[in-house]
Amino acid sequence: DAGITQSPRHKVTETGTPVTLRCHQTENHRYMYWYRQDPGHGLRLIHYSYGVKDTDKGEVSDGYSVSRSKTEDFLLTLESATSSQTSVYFCAISEEGVGGYTFGSGTRLTVV
Amino acid sequence: AQTVTQSQPEMSVQEAETVTLSCTYDTSESDYYLFWYKQPPSRQMILVIRQEAYKQQNATENRFSVNFQKAAKSFSLKISDSQLGDAAMYFCAYSGRREKLTFGTGTRLTIIP
Repeated sequence: DAGITQSPRHKVTETGTPVTLRCHQTENHRYMYWYRQDPGHGLRLIHYSYGVKDTDKGEVSDGYSVSRSKTEDFLLTLESATSSQTSVYFCAISEEGVGGYTFGSGTRLTVV
Repeated sequence: AQTVTQSQPEMSVQEAETVTLSCTYDTSESDYYLFWYKQPPSRQMILVIRQEAYKQQNATENRFSVNFQKAAKSFSLKISDSQLGDAAMYFCAYSGRREKLTFGTGTRLTIIP
């Protein structure tokens, strides 16, 4: 979507390797989020950020870490990828108090 | 913690007919937003409609409208004059004070020509 980009769009990696997904925004929004989407579960929150260097865990944070050193970038790292982390990952951004969210196009990650 | 429940994993409707997708939620907050998102096969998340909890009037966007029952914590989506392009996964979502979106598990809508 305009103003938010995710990279890569697709990735295949091996079990045990570290993986970093990138989310970049040009909207200067305070809040950024990482979700994973799996069949039967909808989208579940992994981590989110409410400012530079301010992050917090979501409901499925085990095995993931995040960093936000600049307003525009929010990185999601799988420290040691496992097959259970095969999923589609979405980044989202929002302004505080507005109730509007914009999603990236998603990254399909396959761990083999 | 807030929860969102969509009890219909799949729905189908004849083209040009009306269909209603159900959503219930649980929260102790009084001020929040509710959303319906559409996800076509392209997997892009598209906002269909948004409702602010303090507004009693139900939101409407063209052929899409909601029935928001705050006391019952119910937020259903009605699609009128269904079109082939409406075929998608539909997610109900909640956002409260903490600014995080909580999603339901989704309803897959099929349009029958």
